[in-house]
Amino acid sequence: EAQVTQNPRYLITVTGKKLTVTCSQNMNHEYMSWYRQDPGLGLRQIYYSMNVEVTDKGDVPEGYKVSRKEKRNFPLILESPSPNQTSLYFCASTRGGGGSTDTQYFGPGTRLTVL
Amino acid sequence: AQSVSQHNHHVILSEAASLELGCNYSYGGTVNLFWYVQYPGQHLQLLLKYFSGDPLVKGIKGFEAEFIKSKFSFNLRKPSVQWSDTAEYFCALRGGGADGLTFGKGTHLIIQP
Repeated sequence: EAQVTQNPRYLITVTGKKLTVTCSQNMNHEYMSWYRQDPGLGLRQIYYSMNVEVTDKGDVPEGYKVSRKEKRNFPLILESPSPNQTSLYFCASTRGGGGSTDTQYFGPGTRLTVL
Repeated sequence: AQSVSQHNHHVILSEAASLELGCNYSYGGTVNLFWYVQYPGQHLQLLLKYFSGDPLVKGIKGFEAEFIKSKFSFNLRKPSVQWSDTAEYFCALRGGGADGLTFGKGTHLIIQP
């Protein structure tokens, strides 16, 4: 079954404690991205990756890092989380290539609370 | 820069009422347009998409949307809503051959029995 998985699904942490949210897809997609969803703001893109070792900032990258060492994985790293990063995070993937007619597949979401 | 505007942040309807959710976008080139739905506690699911061709697209669960290029709009419609349609609905745009999506802020739809 084609899917995007994220772990953990729920996380409560404290300010400053480094954390990683994993994302994995089994569709051999080239393009992966992270979004955060906040009430009244919709989804905003944090970072994206067009292929292995190719990453770039989205609209709200501050406070986040990513890596793409393998095609299937795209972890989101918060080196020093702060309360304003409390949000619902979605990982997504698509075949990529620009102009393609495929769609993005979304993971189930990770609800992060930073105290 | 591209942007998506959803006019209504909250909509409350009774069952069997007709639905139309507005979506306008700003982008000067070729666009792909999407509507996603997020049921309470769940992740985003694709309702329908427009890439080219017939501007009236039909999606799952009886939803449809019409792309009107002259109005930069892609409104979502359903002739008769059900209680189970209660969810948040997002319009999204992909423009210029890019792969990322720009989302609207969402419309929270509540259907009263």
